[in-house]
Amino acid sequence: DADVTQTPRNRITKTGKRIMLECSQTKGHDRMYWYRQDPGLGLRLIYYSFDVKDINKGEISDGYSVSRQAQAKFSLSLESAIPNQTALYFCATSARVTGELFFGEGSRLTVL
Amino acid sequence: GESVGLHLPTLSVQEGDNSIINCAYSNSASDYFIWYKQESGKGPQFIIDIRSNMDKRQGQRVTVLLNKTVKHLSLQIAATQPGDSAVYFCAEKNQAGTALIFGKGTTLSVSS
Repeated sequence: DADVTQTPRNRITKTGKRIMLECSQTKGHDRMYWYRQDPGLGLRLIYYSFDVKDINKGEISDGYSVSRQAQAKFSLSLESAIPNQTALYFCATSARVTGELFFGEGSRLTVL
Repeated sequence: GESVGLHLPTLSVQEGDNSIINCAYSNSASDYFIWYKQESGKGPQFIIDIRSNMDKRQGQRVTVLLNKTVKHLSLQIAATQPGDSAVYFCAEKNQAGTALIFGKGTTLSVSS
C-alpha cells in the first residue's frame, strides 16, 4: 500500500460545486502539504499543516480551504469550484521542513 | 516575491551523455535545496538534496552543485539513460523557512 494515499484520483465536476480531496498517510509525519500542478507552472503550495492544530496558507490559498482531521489525514476543499481550478493536486508529507517530501499519486480535478 | 525557476523548460540528450539541469532561486536565506523527479502519471520523487553550507553533493549518478553567489543550483546526471526521462524540479525554502516551494520544472528527454 502507498504511504500517501489520495482520493479521488480523478474527478470531473461542474462550476459551483463543492469538492473535497482527501489525503491520508502512514508515514507518521506531522507535516502535511497540498500542492497544485499546472503545465508549465510547476508545483505551487496551497496550504500546509504542522500538526492537527496548525494550518498555514501557501502561495495560492484563495478559493481553497483545508482540514486536518487527524495526524494522518489532511483534506483540501473547493467550496465553489471554478474552471481555473482544473489541475493536478498533490498531497505530501514530511518529517521536517529540511527533508524529503513524500508525495501521493495525485488527484486530477476537472471543473467544467 | 518568492520564485524558483529553471533556465530551460526542456532538455533533449542522447543516451550515455551527461545531462545538466539548471535552476535559479530567489531566496538568498534558504539553507536547504532539493531536487525531485516526476515520471509521467506519478507523483514527484526525491533525488538529492543539499544544505547551504555545502557547494556540492553526490549521489548515485547524480551531483547537485550550489552556487550561492549567483543563487544557482544545478543537477548533473551522468551517463543519462532512457529511464531518466522525466520532469525535474528544484525546490527551496520559502521566505518564512516553513515549507518548500518549487520551480516550474525541466522536461528531460533521452533518446537512444
